[in-house]
Amino acid sequence: EAGVTQSPTHLIKTRGQQATLRCSPISGHTSVYWYQQALGLGLQFLLWYDEGEERNRGNFPPRFSGRQFPNYSSELNVNALELEDSALYLCASSYYRSEQYFGPGTRLTVT
Amino acid sequence: EDKVVQSPLSLVVHEGDTVTLNCSYEVTNFRSLLWYKQEKKAPTFLFMLTSSGIEKKSGRLSSILDKKELSSILNITATQTGDSAIYLCAVEGARYDQFYFGTGTSLTVIP
Repeated sequence: EAGVTQSPTHLIKTRGQQATLRCSPISGHTSVYWYQQALGLGLQFLLWYDEGEERNRGNFPPRFSGRQFPNYSSELNVNALELEDSALYLCASSYYRSEQYFGPGTRLTVT
Repeated sequence: EDKVVQSPLSLVVHEGDTVTLNCSYEVTNFRSLLWYKQEKKAPTFLFMLTSSGIEKKSGRLSSILDKKELSSILNITATQTGDSAIYLCAVEGARYDQFYFGTGTSLTVIP
């Protein structure tokens, strides 16, 4: 069974640009979670999508947004990039509130 | 404020030793506590503990949830170098439908 996939693996952007990160959940999973893991910090919850709707968001500014598509894949958009947005972005999927399975992550570097 | 605290922050042991990792939490309307192992990038799921399942075991790893003390421990017996990783604890709270992660315990097993 295929696991959670994320693309791209690495992304380099400059300040002020926009970044788009993508995630495909495990087949049958309807929930997708996004997390930010900055260097030296724990996983910070960003967004939770389930059945195409945003169910919850963490304590991040509105320039972090996303969506979930009918096939349950998801996209995270970060607008007006700042240097401190440099981090590993992890996507996880689950079947509604069961344990989450993580993808390999996207390393975003903002210069 | 909801939070999850893990201790110790890091641990270095020799192969064959037994280690105990701690996770304490203050999360409103506790639903579940999860343990993950993070080696390179993506955390991999180990255990989920709930009010109806407070003890789990898989091979050399075991975990117990103490709802009275608001804490959990993860035990690893007969450690191997392959156990070297960051071990993350996450708690799901019903109040805001969020998962709160600790910053992890970095375990290094020396041959």
